[in-house]
Amino acid sequence: DTGVSQNPRHKITKRGQNVTFRCDPISEHNRLYWYRQTLGQGPEFLTYFQNEAQLEKSRLLSDRFSAERPKGSFSTLEIQRTEQGDSAMYLCASSLGAGTSYNEQFFGPGTRLTVL
Amino acid sequence: AQTVTQSQPEMSVQEAETVTLSCTYDTSESDYYLFWYKQPPSRQMILVIRQEAYKQQNATENRFSVNFQKAAKSFSLKISDSQLGDAAMYFCAYRAFSSGSARQLTFGSGTQLTVLP
Repeated sequence: DTGVSQNPRHKITKRGQNVTFRCDPISEHNRLYWYRQTLGQGPEFLTYFQNEAQLEKSRLLSDRFSAERPKGSFSTLEIQRTEQGDSAMYLCASSLGAGTSYNEQFFGPGTRLTVL
Repeated sequence: AQTVTQSQPEMSVQEAETVTLSCTYDTSESDYYLFWYKQPPSRQMILVIRQEAYKQQNATENRFSVNFQKAAKSFSLKISDSQLGDAAMYFCAYRAFSSGSARQLTFGSGTQLTVLP
């Protein structure tokens, strides 16, 4: 399967713990996005990478959140000192892209985080 | 800021019938893309159909078509000959076109479509 993969698929943690999620994009895709989806809502944008550069961050991305994409390949999203409000599905998407051209974003299956 | 509104949280349709899902959006941009995504239960989101705002012709993909009304900022999805496999959450989404904007998608809150046998 050459689609976007995310690990783990499910994560249960206690409030105050740190968690890290991984996203492996489609291999030739230079753009990578993180979204958060709470129950019954549409995904909300968190952050965006072009290659290894983090070019955009949403106001939703508090100081407790950090994302990296070393070498422009896989990406990690870390949440420090988790809160119950962080419980959500974290989606990763990737696309080709240059300039304003349209390129379809392909989504991964998501990581469901539950904070107890 | 752009917003996308889906006012129908749930819809149902009889198998083989036609259903229309509604979406409105708000933007000050003149060029943009609009999308409908499908999210089946416990499965990943997939693109159903895309519309470029500069194109007057409505997009069509097999049984899926859109009614794009730029002046009204309306973008509805019509599913013809509904099949059981069409049951899913459907999201309307917007993406700006201009080079100064980020490339992220702005989603609506979704419409849960049930297909009745």
